[in-house]
Amino acid sequence: GENVEQHPSTLSVQEGDSAVIKCTYSDSASNYFPWYKQELGKGPQLIIDIRSNVGEKKDQRIAVTLNKTAKHFSLHITETQPEDSAVYFCAASSSNAGGTSYGKLTFGQGTILTVHP
Amino acid sequence: NAGVTQTPKFQVLKTGQSMTLQCAQDMNHEYMSWYRQDPGMGLRLIHYSVGAGITDQGEVPNGYNVSRSTTEDFPLRLLSAAPSQTSVYFCASSYQGVRTDTQYFGPGTRLTVL
Repeated sequence: GENVEQHPSTLSVQEGDSAVIKCTYSDSASNYFPWYKQELGKGPQLIIDIRSNVGEKKDQRIAVTLNKTAKHFSLHITETQPEDSAVYFCAASSSNAGGTSYGKLTFGQGTILTVHP
Repeated sequence: NAGVTQTPKFQVLKTGQSMTLQCAQDMNHEYMSWYRQDPGMGLRLIHYSVGAGITDQGEVPNGYNVSRSTTEDFPLRLLSAAPSQTSVYFCASSYQGVRTDTQYFGPGTRLTVL
């Protein structure tokens, strides 16, 4: 089955700096790569995702890059703010031809991001 | 919409007891899943369902049962609780459609087995 490794496990940055979290996956059939943010006491919430036919995707201060050859993908957060402090999870799954993964995700171990004012 | 709701929020069980974790969604989503979250291990898939009457095992199904009698509800049953099942449990749902993989998670149930 799929295995997703995520690094680093903790990341501490100053407000305004950039933060980068990296994930590697093992199953070459995986083609959907979401990133989730989990705040204390809450469930994970999708912040951005990317599919295997795209190399990079941006949404305001966050971006995700994907290297299918090397089987790794990364989350980039620019101009970090204290409210970005949370646990971030990467995940991977393989979708069928219609683009559906049936709700089956394999998650990385998580990264605790702390943004200091 | 309330989204995905889970009850209870907290539960303490003794070894060998059974219980059901409730999950409901009001978004008419076809797909529903149960994950457990343990420190340093991310979220791991327990069971999932692609529609009413259809369920399948995920990565860590042992000790858990599920059923899906309606689109809205997807309860998770612990048959005989063990300390290894101490964890935070999340239910998630997603819409069936082309390129619609976004999963919506509930707030979680924190379970302690003594």
